[in-house]
Order: sequence, then structure tokens, then C-alpha cells
Amino acid sequence: GDSVTQMEGPVTLSEEACLTINCTYTATGYPSLFWYVQYPGEGLQLLLKATKADDKGSNKGFEATYRKETTSFHLEKGSVQVSDSAVYFCALSDVRGGSEKLVFGKGTKLTVNP
Amino acid sequence: EPEVTQTPSHQVTQMGQEVILRCVPISNHLYFYWYRQILGQKVEFLVSFYNNEISEKSEIFDDQFSVERPDGSNFTLKIRSTKLEDSAMYFCASTGTNDNQPQHFGDGTRLSIL
Repeated sequence: GDSVTQMEGPVTLSEEACLTINCTYTATGYPSLFWYVQYPGEGLQLLLKATKADDKGSNKGFEATYRKETTSFHLEKGSVQVSDSAVYFCALSDVRGGSEKLVFGKGTKLTVNP
Repeated sequence: EPEVTQTPSHQVTQMGQEVILRCVPISNHLYFYWYRQILGQKVEFLVSFYNNEISEKSEIFDDQFSVERPDGSNFTLKIRSTKLEDSAMYFCASTGTNDNQPQHFGDGTRLSIL
């Protein structure tokens, strides 16, 4: 079945450092790809998405590009802030593959220190 | 911005008891979901619901689980006879369409089985 593998954490960075969280996927169809963020004590919030190959999703300084050739959707940010401390989840859904459910990676906890 | 709301935020229940988790999806949404997250593990799909019936369910969603949309606003998850391993964070989500549009999540209900 479909699956998502993402970089294990935790990741600890200093403010203004560069961030990359790796995410690769396996899917039988043509999935859409998402990054969700979970701040402490809160639910999952959509951070960005891409629905087809070579699409770039971006939001709040974060970016991720849908790479079909490497089945990847790595999350990047050039300069992190303390407020970016959260758990980040890569996910896919594949309606054309017959299911609209989200399949999540295990999550990567990011801590940004001042 | 419209939100998915879940109640209660924390539920403590004795093993073997029935529990009902409640969700109010975004008002014009048509597709509803439950996910769970056991502490330290990935977010897992439980069930999707559309047009007053289950459209897909996972292996986790056995006969002890049921979902209902009793009126035009609430969407509930019932666990008939809780087990210790049902302890988890349960998230409700909704979306307006199923063409790979992002799902909107509530803040979750933490279920603790004693």
C-alpha cells in the first residue's frame, strides 16, 4: 500500500539556520503531497501542498517540491525561527488511486533555539 | 476562518466502558474522517464518511468502532468497549471535496483508558 517515510527526529537548530526535512513516498497512483504542522497542544494544520509533479508548495517561508523521479517532497526553509518549533508531518492522498485518506509519515520534531 | 471543533479535549474512561468522541466539521464540508495518533507514533487513518455512510475504513476500525452523523452538524466516533490500547489522540477532519483538497483537522481529543 501507499506509504510515507520521513526523516526521524528530533532536529534541533539555532535561529536563522537552514532546515531540510526529508520525505519520500511510495504510491500506486498519482498522489497529492502535503506537509502538516502540529504546534504543541494543537491539532494538525496544513502547511503546504503540491498536487502534481514539479509543483512547488510554499507557505510561511517553507517550500517543498514534488519530485516524481525521486518520489520525494522534502521540506525546506532558509532561516528558521523559534516559532517554527513544532512537529512536521509529510502526508499523501491518492484519490485517483481509489482512496482519499491521508497517509502520514511518523513526524519530525523540530526545536529551534534562540 | 472556519474550524473543525472536537469535544472533549481530554476523556478519561475505565477499560470496557463505551466512549463517544464528538466533532463538529466545517459547515459546508461533505467528507469526514477520523484519525488517531498513539503517543510517539504516526497519525493513522481510521475511517472516512460521505453521504451518510462509511466510504473507507482501516484494519484498526473493527466492530468496536462506529461513526455517526446524527444531525446536520455533529460527527461522532463511538468505541463500544474500550481497551487499554485505544489510548491515543483522536483527530477529526473534514474537507469540502475529495479531489485531493486538504483536510482540515480539529485539535483532537486525548483518550486515556485506565
